[in-house]
Amino acid sequence: NAGVTQTPKFRVLKTGQSMTLLCAQDMNHEYMYWYRQDPGMGLRLIHYSVGEGTTAKGEVPDGYNVSRLKKQNFLLGLESAAPSQTSVYFCASSYPTLATQTDTQYFGPGTRLTVL
Amino acid sequence: KQEVTQIPAALSVPEGENLVLNCSFTDSAIYNLQWFRQDPGKGLTSLLLIQSSQREQTSGRLNASLDKSSGRSTLYIAASQPGDSATYLCAGYRGDRGSTLGRLYFGRGTQLTVWP
Repeated sequence: NAGVTQTPKFRVLKTGQSMTLLCAQDMNHEYMYWYRQDPGMGLRLIHYSVGEGTTAKGEVPDGYNVSRLKKQNFLLGLESAAPSQTSVYFCASSYPTLATQTDTQYFGPGTRLTVL
Repeated sequence: KQEVTQIPAALSVPEGENLVLNCSFTDSAIYNLQWFRQDPGKGLTSLLLIQSSQREQTSGRLNASLDKSSGRSTLYIAASQPGDSATYLCAGYRGDRGSTLGRLYFGRGTQLTVWP
């Protein structure tokens, strides 16, 4: 059971380039999330998905797109990278219990992205 | 706007001390509170999740409490060890309008250093 995995671990892009970050989970979780973490800012939600084929915007969605074609995968795309997108990106997944709405989120190890 | 605040931002203590990390939130709609640990360059590890119906949770040397009426949570670490050195993040769950999803809102963390 690998939990939540992220690919790649590190990446350097030039301004204007595009790339896709892959998140995979093997816990059969319904919900998946993409966060970014910047120094002194804490984690902020970019996009999330409540199930296969569905996505929704989080707190800071501009400049990113996502897709959830398979339940176990959640892709984060940068169409035209900008230096402001230099950050550490974390993926998470969860499976809420209906009784309490408690959905412990499990996090991946992160992808460190630098945009020059 | 939801806001989760952690005090202090950094803390340095000698080994063996008992210590308290503080987390406060202004949004009364936050119903659960979760504490995470983050080691440098790594992802987040869940430590304790306190549901709205609970007042505290304990795991080993860790004890977390939640007082929703005052919007405060504390993480108590007993007999601190150098291996406890990490950044500790608190995050509050708030219901997302129109769904059962509970979104996490993070504080900026307390960076703890425990020296021998």
